[in-house]
Amino acid sequence: IAGITQAPTSQILAAGRRMTLRCTQDMRHNAMYWYRQDLGLGLRLIHYSNTAGTTGKGEVPDGYSVSRANTDDFPLTLASAVPSQTSVYFCASSDSAGANTDTQYFGPGTRLTVL
Amino acid sequence: GQNIDQPTEMTATEGAIVQINCTYQTSGFNGLFWYQQHAGEAPTFLSYNVLDGLEEKGRFSSFLSRSKGYSYLLLKELQMKDSASYLCAVVDSNYQLIWGAGTKLIIKP
Repeated sequence: IAGITQAPTSQILAAGRRMTLRCTQDMRHNAMYWYRQDLGLGLRLIHYSNTAGTTGKGEVPDGYSVSRANTDDFPLTLASAVPSQTSVYFCASSDSAGANTDTQYFGPGTRLTVL
Repeated sequence: GQNIDQPTEMTATEGAIVQINCTYQTSGFNGLFWYQQHAGEAPTFLSYNVLDGLEEKGRFSSFLSRSKGYSYLLLKELQMKDSASYLCAVVDSNYQLIWGAGTKLIIKP
């Protein structure tokens, strides 16, 4: 069982370019999340999805969009990347549908650098 | 505002015991998580407390006092592999998960 996979592992991107980070889980979890992690700061929620077909905004959603066409996949898109979006991005999933009291399982992360 | 405080960094010796504290000020409380994150890797679940008291799980224990807005993670018989960051996260009254910045634990031989 793979759990959660993310692609790419790392990426260097020119400012202004469009980029999609991929996330796939095989645990049939209802909820999925995208976080960014920056040095000295806690994990910050970008977007979440409580179940397939629904999405919601987290703490720092500006400049990012998501979709949840099915249970397994939850891609994150940067429409026009800016240097402040340089970060490590983690995708996570949990069995709960919005209660946030279930354990979250994290993917290995994508290290994104925007120049 | 909502706030989670943890020490930025701690150092301990192999074989010893270390206590990592977490204090929180949140709008309500519906549970507290501890996660471990090795450098360059994903966070992994350690413990979840929703009631006051101590929960022991092998070498790791987690304590919660809701009245004091306080938790700690206790690591016993420290091993070099315990060198990692330890993240505290609180579920608030709206069931939002609020994350602390994490405590980097350095284990010395």
